[in-house]
Amino acid sequence: GAGVSQTPSNKVTEKGKYVELRCDPISGHTALYWYRQSLGQGPEFLIYFQGTGAADDSGLPNDRFFAVRPEGSVSTLKIQRTERGDSAVYLCASSLSPGGRYEQYFGPGTRLTVT
Amino acid sequence: AQSVTQLDSHVSVSEGTPVLLRCNYSSSYSPSLFWYVQHPNKGLQLLLKYTSAATLVKGINGFEAEFKKSETSFHLTKPSAHMSDAAEYFCVVSVSGSTLGRLYFGRGTQLTVWP
Repeated sequence: GAGVSQTPSNKVTEKGKYVELRCDPISGHTALYWYRQSLGQGPEFLIYFQGTGAADDSGLPNDRFFAVRPEGSVSTLKIQRTERGDSAVYLCASSLSPGGRYEQYFGPGTRLTVT
Repeated sequence: AQSVTQLDSHVSVSEGTPVLLRCNYSSSYSPSLFWYVQHPNKGLQLLLKYTSAATLVKGINGFEAEFKKSETSFHLTKPSAHMSDAAEYFCVVSVSGSTLGRLYFGRGTQLTVWP
């Protein structure tokens, strides 16, 4: 079946601009996660959705970052007033069930470059 | 708090020789442990996971890992490396009983396989 998909695969934007990154999870997966992977680092947690609500947003670096999942399926990560330090690969993952014991399935990521 | 230390940033082996990728973890709670692999321009793929059952865990492509609580280690091994194993490997910890499922990644180990 289809895996997690993310669009766009690459995004180049100018400093100060607004961007949206989209994630389509595996059908039926109620848990959805966003991570950010900077060059040479492992992915870092940003936010977790269970259904439509953000159950844990403690990883969002500041209030320029926001994410939604209005119908409990597709999610959008929104970044306002982008900065060069936001350049990274943004990964989305979904899981059939929430919780630390269950496998998360990752999308290919969106590479964001802020010039 | 949860954290992972991958003891080697780079490992190089010859094809057909054993692979050892080292990982130590820290967790305030009963952990779930995972190894993920990331091939260039591909999404993260789960190799294997430990969730408090058997301490020796077998994964895909001939990889296995042993959970050693006394040493807080979860090293990844493979008896004989193949060229296709060349990739970035991440050791990951989460809280087993948590309903949130946030993953904590190590910084990664780049595995090179020489012919």
